[in-house]
Amino acid sequence: GAGVSQSPSNKVTEKGKDVELRCDPISGHTALYWYRQSLGQGLEFLIYFQGNSAPDKSGLPSDRFSAERTGGSVSTLTIQRTQQEDSAVYLCASSTRLAGGTGELFFGEGSRLTVL
Amino acid sequence: GQSLEQPSEVTAVEGAIVQINCTYQTSGFYGLSWYQQHDGGAPTFLSYNALDGLEETGRFSSFLSRSDSYGYLLLQELQMKDSASYFCAYTGGFKTIFGAGTRLFVKA
Repeated sequence: GAGVSQSPSNKVTEKGKDVELRCDPISGHTALYWYRQSLGQGLEFLIYFQGNSAPDKSGLPSDRFSAERTGGSVSTLTIQRTQQEDSAVYLCASSTRLAGGTGELFFGEGSRLTVL
Repeated sequence: GQSLEQPSEVTAVEGAIVQINCTYQTSGFYGLSWYQQHDGGAPTFLSYNALDGLEETGRFSSFLSRSDSYGYLLLQELQMKDSASYFCAYTGGFKTIFGAGTRLFVKA
């Protein structure tokens, strides 16, 4: 596709349920990021995938959060046993950049998660 | 540790010049980026500095001093549409980390 695609755009769930958020990066982009943004706040780094290397999971806030990237393309972020504090916009970004490159990330429109 | 600091809010008048500062603390630093985000929208890339000095892109310029761990974004000829949040971000250790953002209000 022309840009980074995320789905669903909005998700309302009940506390304790599991949710899956999907990201389809720009074709050919080897790097993929997940960030979380609470209302009016900055972007909190969650996880980073680069090609076939082991992902950098250092930003995942708890073991309820996990992510995978299949075939070096589509990524799924899974949140198990959701809590109200998980409510946020989850942003995915992709890049052609290797370390030390131009620094340009291309963001999707995000998935807004509301946990009731 | 790793962190970035930038002012939470800045207000300026249409047609004026505004500077948004950013200081960072990290290891393995590669470069400093700036992103713009309008309410409800996705962040969009504005500029990137890997070396010391000023990079100019139209009305926007970005500066980096690696020795001072400091950079800024300069917006000239402010327009109402520039009202948005601006994030500095450093690239290091194979990932990009964002600051908390500066909310810019442009007044008529």
